[in-house]
Amino acid sequence: EDQVTQSPEALRLQEGESSSLNCSYTVSGLRGLFWYRQDPGKGPEFLFTLYSAGEEKEKERLKATLTKKESFLHITAPKPEDSATYLCAVQAVGSQGNLIFGKGTKLSVKP
Amino acid sequence: KAGVTQTPRYLIKTRGQQVTLSCSPISGHRSVSWYQQTPGQGLQFLFEYFSETQRNKGNFPGRFSGRQFSNSRSEMNVSTLELGDSALYLCASSPEDRIQFFGPGTRLTVL
Repeated sequence: EDQVTQSPEALRLQEGESSSLNCSYTVSGLRGLFWYRQDPGKGPEFLFTLYSAGEEKEKERLKATLTKKESFLHITAPKPEDSATYLCAVQAVGSQGNLIFGKGTKLSVKP
Repeated sequence: KAGVTQTPRYLIKTRGQQVTLSCSPISGHRSVSWYQQTPGQGLQFLFEYFSETQRNKGNFPGRFSGRQFSNSRSEMNVSTLELGDSALYLCASSPEDRIQFFGPGTRLTVL
């Protein structure tokens, strides 16, 4: 069964304290792995998509990496405005429009 | 481009009633997916439509149904509402069945 597990469930950081969020996945055939950010009361906001092992994407303080079994979202020198829930999702080969989501990591960054 | 829009944003219904939610995708996007988000289960896939055809369906009872119109706008319907149907219902559109862009969601409360 295709599934996605994210860890930790919650993470508290001080402003400037770098860390990583983990997304482990099992899928019959990976079509793509996606990272989203979700603020309270809002829909998920697209951050990155990764398609093959070894691929990396960067955007401001965020960097996403992908291996054959997991993905990491690295946050460098976070700021309070980075506080949000970060969601990881995979799309399997042959599965149109169906993203399988993890439960998310709730990140809090204190000034 | 305007983002994905969903109406209404908030809805309160009682058990046994039915409800219809609407989603307008980003202009030019032909794929529309629907998800249910609850604190316990996270985001779960309901169904996906492409060019007015349902291509994929998640593991939800038949009370959940949807459709897509020729202008790519989509509706989902839930009949005989149950308390457990209270959730945030999210719509996402995609240009080519890859990256999904989410709307703000409809918050449904069933009393």
